[in-house]
Amino acid sequence: AQKITQTQPGMFVQEKEAVTLDCTYDTSDPSYGLFWYKQPSSGEMIFLIYQGSYDQQNATEGRYSLNFQKARKSANLVISASQLGDSAMYFCAMREVVSGTYKYIFGTGTRLKVLA
Amino acid sequence: GAGVSQSPRYKVAKRGQDVALRCDPISGHVSLFWYQQALGQGPEFLTYFQNEAQLDKSGLPSDRFFAERPEGSVSTLKIQRTQQEDSAVYLCASSQARVETQYFGPGTRLLVL
Repeated sequence: AQKITQTQPGMFVQEKEAVTLDCTYDTSDPSYGLFWYKQPSSGEMIFLIYQGSYDQQNATEGRYSLNFQKARKSANLVISASQLGDSAMYFCAMREVVSGTYKYIFGTGTRLKVLA
Repeated sequence: GAGVSQSPRYKVAKRGQDVALRCDPISGHVSLFWYQQALGQGPEFLTYFQNEAQLDKSGLPSDRFFAERPEGSVSTLKIQRTQQEDSAVYLCASSQARVETQYFGPGTRLLVL
């Protein structure tokens, strides 16, 4: 079974609109962390936002917010007021403890294209 | 430095050659990670260092892959006798501690012919 699932290979959004990128996860570790990264065509992975499993409130960072639904094991990224520069690959990632060791697992990514 | 740097940015190797990829983490970051990213995929974990100690190398695909961080700062990922399936982007990331957010370098794109 996939630990991190991103079901949307590609998404389009009109400039200035909001967009939601889906991510579901699977873990038995009660103390896990969830991350979103942006990867432009230049290749560098840029950290966007973090949500801890015990955090009561959804994480927000500027135009980015994480819609954390723990019971559904869902951690969707919401980008508000999309900009042309938001066009990139977006990866959801999870940190969990496996056999006493921290592991980081990434999803397969969603390619977002912002239309002018 | 201000961020994680990696060199070279691009490397073309003939099958069978050895290659060495360098990572300069953010100053003061204890933890250093190496990932392999195949085309169209997410990064996959290779190995992890805490200072100079390699605490997890469970992701290294074969004994042709070797990583070191002798002084607890700069790290080198070495691939011996490269194969075509080694073609990928190799990403390095560092963090203040293993549970903290990782910050990535620009990656080294390796092409094995």
